[in-house]
Amino acid sequence: DAMVIQNPRYQVTQFGKPVTLSCSQTLNHNVMYWYQQKSSQAPKLLFHYYDKDFNNEADTPDNFQSRRPNTSFCFLDIRSPGLGDAAMYLCATSRDSRGIEKLFFGSGTQLSVL
Amino acid sequence: QKEVEQDPGPLSVPEGAIVSLNCTYSNSAFQYFMWYRQYSRKGPELLMYTYSSGNKEDGRFTAQVDKSSKYISLFIRDSQPSDSATYLCAISQGNLIFGKGTKLSVKP
Repeated sequence: DAMVIQNPRYQVTQFGKPVTLSCSQTLNHNVMYWYQQKSSQAPKLLFHYYDKDFNNEADTPDNFQSRRPNTSFCFLDIRSPGLGDAAMYLCATSRDSRGIEKLFFGSGTQLSVL
Repeated sequence: QKEVEQDPGPLSVPEGAIVSLNCTYSNSAFQYFMWYRQYSRKGPELLMYTYSSGNKEDGRFTAQVDKSSKYISLFIRDSQPSDSATYLCAISQGNLIFGKGTKLSVKP
């Protein structure tokens, strides 16, 4: 049973054309995360929501925005994608935000920017 | 110095070999240490986690933490082709800090 679902699996966009990636969860977890993972690199946390509270990482570019309209869904908006934004975008959830909490990841959306 | 260092490999071993994967970290305040496994074109999944120094065993997998050296290890005994994946160490300080991952290939 899929618990964290990301759509689409593959997304191609043009340089500068806004794109939205989506994530849904059936776990009813409080926390949802967005990570960016480039080839052979560590996943990099962009931001997370604890319920409706938004937490942005200090080095996340302004080009990246997020919305969480309800517990189940979270969106990543890239306002003006650049070539350097091509990456795998991973959504994850956890029950709480304590350090020991297990993260449940989706399969990711592979974004290509032409 | 990066907070978590991990040799990206790739590492190729024959089936049945013992595999040793390692990470070092810089902040002695870290308390929770995890290993995630990531298959190709999939998201990471939690394999093991440990708290404080010592060993933790789960089947063919053993996680080891040496806080005095700031060194964590994952050992895989009797490795199988299905173990072929990228293994990411992760350290928690509130949010998780991941290593780059080591790509492991187990050849039949």
